[in-house]
Amino acid sequence: GNSVTQMEGPVTLSEEAFLTINCTYTATGYPSLFWYVQYPGEGLQLLLKATKADDKGSNKGFEATYRKETTSFHLEKGSVQVSDSAVYFCALSDHGSSNTGKLIFGQGTTLQVKP
Amino acid sequence: NAGVTQTPKFQVLKTGQSMTLQCAQDMNHNSMYWYRQDPGMGLRLIYYSASEGTTDKGEVPNGYNVSRLNKREFSLRLESAAPSQTSVYFCASSDRGLKETQYFGPGTRLLVL
Repeated sequence: GNSVTQMEGPVTLSEEAFLTINCTYTATGYPSLFWYVQYPGEGLQLLLKATKADDKGSNKGFEATYRKETTSFHLEKGSVQVSDSAVYFCALSDHGSSNTGKLIFGQGTTLQVKP
Repeated sequence: NAGVTQTPKFQVLKTGQSMTLQCAQDMNHNSMYWYRQDPGMGLRLIYYSASEGTTDKGEVPNGYNVSRLNKREFSLRLESAAPSQTSVYFCASSDRGLKETQYFGPGTRLLVL
């Protein structure tokens, strides 16, 4: 079945450091790929998405490129801030034949940015 | 717009008690979902409703029931709570279509003693 694997955390960085959170997936067909972020005590919110191979999603300085050849969707940011401290989830759309819009999530990666 | 709202925010139950988690969305979305979030396991789908009048099991449906009351509301019921159901529960909604974004509520933290 379809699945998403993320790098284990926690990831601890100093402010202004470069961030990479790895995400790889297994899927049949052509899923859409997503990064969601969860700030402490809140629900998940969409950070960025890509709907087809070679698309780059970007938002708030974060970027991820849909790489079909390596089945990856790694999240990057050039210079992290303390306010980026959160849990990041990679996800893919699991459509099958029913077109339900279901998502499959990775286990989440906690990012802690220190001043 | 309030987006997706959930009640209650926090609940403590004793083993065997029942309760219903409420979820409502004001975005006129067709699809709604219930997830549970446990440490190290990401989010797992409990039940979903692709459209008003339909519900289907997700990855971990045992011990739960759902009702799609109307287009806005989707409730999750625990008939006889167990400690294994201690978790944070999230409701989400999306418009129809494969590539649409899911919008999440703030979550309900449930502790079963």
